[in-house]
Amino acid sequence: QKEVEQNSGPLSVPEGAIASLNCTYSDRGSQSFFWYRQYSGKSPELIMFIYSNGDKEDGRFTAQLNKASQYVSLLIRDSQPSDSATYLCAVNGERSQGNLIFGKGTKLSVKP
Amino acid sequence: SAVISQKPSRDICQRGTSLTIQCQVDSQVTMMFWYRQQPGQSLTLIATANQGSEATYESGFVIDKFPISRPNLTFSTLTVSNMSPEDSSIYLCSVKPSGIYNEQFFGPGTRLTVL
Repeated sequence: QKEVEQNSGPLSVPEGAIASLNCTYSDRGSQSFFWYRQYSGKSPELIMFIYSNGDKEDGRFTAQLNKASQYVSLLIRDSQPSDSATYLCAVNGERSQGNLIFGKGTKLSVKP
Repeated sequence: SAVISQKPSRDICQRGTSLTIQCQVDSQVTMMFWYRQQPGQSLTLIATANQGSEATYESGFVIDKFPISRPNLTFSTLTVSNMSPEDSSIYLCSVKPSGIYNEQFFGPGTRLTVL
């Protein structure tokens, strides 16, 4: 059974700080990694994806992937109260068609 | 990304009844999926909706309980049959546009409460 593990939190950071969200996965064959943001009562919104080892930056967001350690992280710089949400890590599943396996999510709270 | 709509957005149903949820996309997409998100939980894949053939169900989900249709590349339905309170969840469709990557985009979801 393939698994994706996340610390459920809540993770609380002050406004302007860097929020660091972490995720580990069990399947070494996984190739695609995604971060979704989910506000309460809303559906998940894709914010980052990464396929290669290293860092990928998009605005205030940086995704980091280390396939040897089976570890993917999301850094949010200059955190804002509007970043307060649950962040879901997802990994591509068994089939090449791309169904995703989700972690349970980390709840982030950014305090003004 | 594609624009995805779902109907209904929410419903309250009696046990033993069935509800059909519709998912409409504004462009043709290769893959469509149905997920369930139980209260306080993450997303669990129910099935892959295949255009022109039977859906592919994940372990723990069966066609009799969750029949799925996908008549074309922009539309799919999920029926939750013979409902019980344990079926109270958010049901989400997602789409994977054509291409080599696996990004999926989610519809707004259907919040189902079964009494």
